[in-house]
Amino acid sequence: GAGVSQSPRYKVAKRGQDVALRCDPISGHVSLFWYQQALGQGPEFLTYFQNEAQLDKSGLPSDRFFAERPEGSVSTLKIQRTQQEDSAVYLCASRHPLAGNTGELFFGEGSRLTVL
Amino acid sequence: AQSVSQHNHHVILSEAASLELGCNYSYGGTVNLFWYVQYPGQHLQLLLKYFSGDPLVKGIKGFEAEFIKSKFSFNLRKPSVQWSDTAEYFCAVKFYNTDKLIFGTGTRLQVFP
Repeated sequence: GAGVSQSPRYKVAKRGQDVALRCDPISGHVSLFWYQQALGQGPEFLTYFQNEAQLDKSGLPSDRFFAERPEGSVSTLKIQRTQQEDSAVYLCASRHPLAGNTGELFFGEGSRLTVL
Repeated sequence: AQSVSQHNHHVILSEAASLELGCNYSYGGTVNLFWYVQYPGQHLQLLLKYFSGDPLVKGIKGFEAEFIKSKFSFNLRKPSVQWSDTAEYFCAVKFYNTDKLIFGTGTRLQVFP
């Protein structure tokens, strides 16, 4: 696709529900990042994939958060037993393979999660 | 810990005023520096970036930024802002030993006609 696509754009969940957020990166981009952006804050790193390999998951806040990218393209961020503090915009970004690890990230529009 | 600080949380200017937004980062050796912008209702997009060479970097829409290594700073500037520059601006840093970008908390810029 032309850009990074995320779905759903908006999600309302009751506390304790599980949610799944999808990211479809730019075609050919092997690097994929997930960020969490709370209201009034900058994006906070969650996890990073190179193809299907999850190379860094140091930013995942708890074991309720899980990300996967089984075929090296589409990625899913899953949050189990959601809590109110999980309310945020979840951003996905991808990077062109020829840009190396200094290249810019291309961001999607984000998935806004509200936990009631 | 590696961190990025943006000192101005909310800036209000009139059109044609000059802009400077501060960005400082913690010491961490070699860095790559970025400014991203988020216009209302839109996704984050790259404004400019610095990797090496000339520390004065020019980006889109008349923006520029200067990397001052001794001050660990990468301030964003524009000589004359326009109403259409109303947006949120984020400084981001990639430290040498990591692939991820670390973002500042952002600066909300409002420009009035």
